[in-house]
Amino acid sequence: DIQMTQSPSTLSASVGDRVTITCRASQSISSWLAWYQQKPGKAPKLLIYKASSLESGVPSRFSGSGSGTEFTLTISSLQPDDFATYYCQQYNSYQWTFGQGTKVEIK
Amino acid sequence: EVQLVESGGGLVKPGGSLRLSCAASGFTFSNAWMSWVRQAPGKGLEWVGRIKSKTDGGTTDYAAPVKGRFTISRDDSKNTLYLQMNSLKTEDTAVYYCTTDGHGEPIYFWGQGTLVTVSS
Repeated sequence: DIQMTQSPSTLSASVGDRVTITCRASQSISSWLAWYQQKPGKAPKLLIYKASSLESGVPSRFSGSGSGTEFTLTISSLQPDDFATYYCQQYNSYQWTFGQGTKVEIK
Repeated sequence: EVQLVESGGGLVKPGGSLRLSCAASGFTFSNAWMSWVRQAPGKGLEWVGRIKSKTDGGTTDYAAPVKGRFTISRDDSKNTLYLQMNSLKTEDTAVYYCTTDGHGEPIYFWGQGTLVTVSS
């Protein structure tokens, strides 16, 4: 299985901050990486696919980058609606795997 | 509009069985690959397994922790996906999500999830 490692596990930030979350794959996954946002009691929501493509309707303050084994999700200016947990997912392998999640909390 | 509605969750004893259903609408279900993803309370996301469309063979894949105990099936006449869970363990306690599976695409659509609790 391809292991996905996210860091940090928790991030405390203020409205307006620039936030970066990292995801590392245990082997190359090319650009077959997605980022999801999840709020308590809700299903995850797709933000970014193919490492850097913004899903329709997602605010442009979200961006993704990387390829191979190193990926980042950046929120350019954190908004109140962005406090949530974020997951990366590789879909290079037929067995999908997810990072353990990064909870973005209010500082 | 794509809708995925899971049902069938509940409390079951260790060693017991449960069948989850996922009613799909808003897309051509018979052409779609489908997956199940679960999330234990307070934990991350875990892929459970998938079923391909019948035109692509209708075959299934499973994650190691559930292989041999869980079975995914589909009824294209009812636009419904199923997850039969046998020999349940306490570590199977989770919210189970039905998702679309674009085989080489991310997860665009999720159901609302159904909670399965395995406890004596």
